[in-house]
Amino acid sequence: AQKVTQAQTEISVVEKEDVTLDCVYETRDTTYYLFWYKQPPSGELVFLIRRNSFDEQNEISGRYSWNFQKSTSSFNFTITASQVVDSAVYFCALRTQGGSEKLVFGKGTKLTVNP
Amino acid sequence: ETGVTQTPRHLVMGMTNKKSLKCEQHLGHNAMYWYKQSAKKPLELMFVYNFKEQTENNSVPSRFSPECPNSSHLFLHLHTLQPEDSALYLCASSQDYRGPDTQYFGPGTRLTVL
Repeated sequence: AQKVTQAQTEISVVEKEDVTLDCVYETRDTTYYLFWYKQPPSGELVFLIRRNSFDEQNEISGRYSWNFQKSTSSFNFTITASQVVDSAVYFCALRTQGGSEKLVFGKGTKLTVNP
Repeated sequence: ETGVTQTPRHLVMGMTNKKSLKCEQHLGHNAMYWYKQSAKKPLELMFVYNFKEQTENNSVPSRFSPECPNSSHLFLHLHTLQPEDSALYLCASSQDYRGPDTQYFGPGTRLTVL
């Protein structure tokens, strides 16, 4: 069975601080895909990134970076120099190839960036 | 960029009412999804349609009835709901149901059942 754990329920930081959101996943499949979504107060889930299981290269996009480590089954997300607009709930998700192929979400981490 | 739209954005209904949620995707995708998001719970997949055919029904009560007339439109018909059905209902689409395709979500319909 597939599972995604986001142990941090809520995080509060002050603007310009760096913050890392943790994501740990479980799957027995060798081919899988990991995602991060952002859900601002408006409700829409905004796609941020997709990473394939066979590509462990870390990725940076502006202030956002992602650290994928298969050895620890983790796919952590770091926001550098956080801004108030980063306040949202962030979801990590897993989809496997073969099996149910459902997109399995973690429970989300609510990030509050204070001015 | 909002490739997936949902209407209405907010809905309040009584337990005896019948209402419908609408989702439209402008991305040329072939798969569409309904999710339910309740407070304190992970997103729950409800239904999946691939090329207009229902491929998944995640043990959803029959008071929720989906309809997919074409690959661009998805409806969720609601009747005799319960207060515990109050939630954010999210629609999503992807190029195909299988494989690595990313799901893109709409803004959701926040439903309150009185």
